[in-house]
Amino acid sequence: DQQVKQNSPSLSVQEGRISILNCDYTNSMFDYFLWYKKYPAEGPTFLISISSIKDKNEDGRFTVFLNKSAKHLSLHIVPSQPGDSAVYFCAASARENTGNQFYFGTGTSLTVIP
Amino acid sequence: NAGVTQTPKFRVLKTGQSMTLLCAQDMNHEYMYWYRQDPGMGLRLIHYSVGEGTTAKGEVPDGYNVSRLKKQNFLLGLESAAPSQTSVYFCASSYSRVGNYGYTFGSGTRLTVV
Repeated sequence: DQQVKQNSPSLSVQEGRISILNCDYTNSMFDYFLWYKKYPAEGPTFLISISSIKDKNEDGRFTVFLNKSAKHLSLHIVPSQPGDSAVYFCAASARENTGNQFYFGTGTSLTVIP
Repeated sequence: NAGVTQTPKFRVLKTGQSMTLLCAQDMNHEYMYWYRQDPGMGLRLIHYSVGEGTTAKGEVPDGYNVSRLKKQNFLLGLESAAPSQTSVYFCASSYSRVGNYGYTFGSGTRLTVV
């Protein structure tokens, strides 16, 4: 059963507008969350993280919000740029995972229209 | 600095054939992972290793074996390939859980089993 879910397979946004990508999880033991960005024919690259002790983390145009009670996190990209067009994966890990294993969502393909 | 290197990048196998995928990292990371990516399924963990000489099963380990004889290398073996193992395989590495900076991924191996 999928422990991390991204229910929107795709999203299209105009350049300059905000992109909001959503992620839900089911395991209440998850305490660390990551977002990865993936271009075709490349491996995922780390984008931004958030720990469960925070509800927001910001890095330039990228902000991740965590709502622990709803088991939901979101990634905001402002302003969106054509180079942001990629597949975005959220991933979650629990402190009890001694191997630092992350569980990934199915990904959201973002298209930023010039 | 090469990061994480996967070989080969592409391979076509016949059902029943065997092969080994090689992952090499030059970042002195303790932890290494093998994931597979399938449409609509996201990335799923096959096996992982928390140090030289150690291996452990992930979410989907059946049909695969792994070895970590040297810290920098993590091998994924398919003893008798099946069409269900057609996928894109990603290797990743990370520091130990302390710090928890996420993974560095390789660029992937696209495997087709016919």
